[in-house]
Amino acid sequence: QSALTQPPSASGSPGQSVTISCTGTSSDVGGYNYVSWYQHHPGKAPKLMIYEVIKRPSGVPDRFSGSKSGNTASLTVSGLQAEDEADYYCSSYAGSNERVFGGGTKLTVL
Amino acid sequence: EVQLVESGGGLVQRGGSLRLSCAASGFSFANFWMTWVRQAPGKGLEWVANIKQDGGEKYYVDSVEGRFTISRDNAKNSLYLQMNSLRVEDTAMYYCARGKYDNDPWGQGTLVTVSS
Repeated sequence: QSALTQPPSASGSPGQSVTISCTGTSSDVGGYNYVSWYQHHPGKAPKLMIYEVIKRPSGVPDRFSGSKSGNTASLTVSGLQAEDEADYYCSSYAGSNERVFGGGTKLTVL
Repeated sequence: EVQLVESGGGLVQRGGSLRLSCAASGFSFANFWMTWVRQAPGKGLEWVANIKQDGGEKYYVDSVEGRFTISRDNAKNSLYLQMNSLRVEDTAMYYCARGKYDNDPWGQGTLVTVSS
């Protein structure tokens, strides 16, 4: 049950696009289409942004998109806005009814 | 409004016990898997446990297996986490969340601090 690997930080200017990676193994990210992404503003409840790799819950702006290639999933935020500044976590099903999260990426809007 | 509200956190000595509760409202609680996730200070999120709709399947991260017990009362729309033999490394904000493979929504969390 090793954590997924995310870059500790990412940044971009308003209006730009930024992509956050999430690297696992063939036993988790690469093996299942159950990758999800969460936005977490400190002190608030985490919020689901992407599920099943590419799906977006209702109410989440289409500026947020997900993808996967092999053992690496990615979250892309287009048209960056100030309110996008937060911590972002990926998660994957890891088989045997277990889940694993990434270490988190702090997104800064410059 | 779909809502989850955790309670029961607090300060406890190493080796002690706590029972966390999560009150659900705004949705058919009995129809959903439920999950506990924690975040230690300055660390990332960690999946702790989840439970099937009828309580018949329960799964845990290795580090809490045998010490923590997840349960639910569908009549009371409530989820629980009984935590025994607590360790300093169990110190974290504990969140309840709806769902098995992905989680939405989450509660605001309840803080558990284990002192040595």
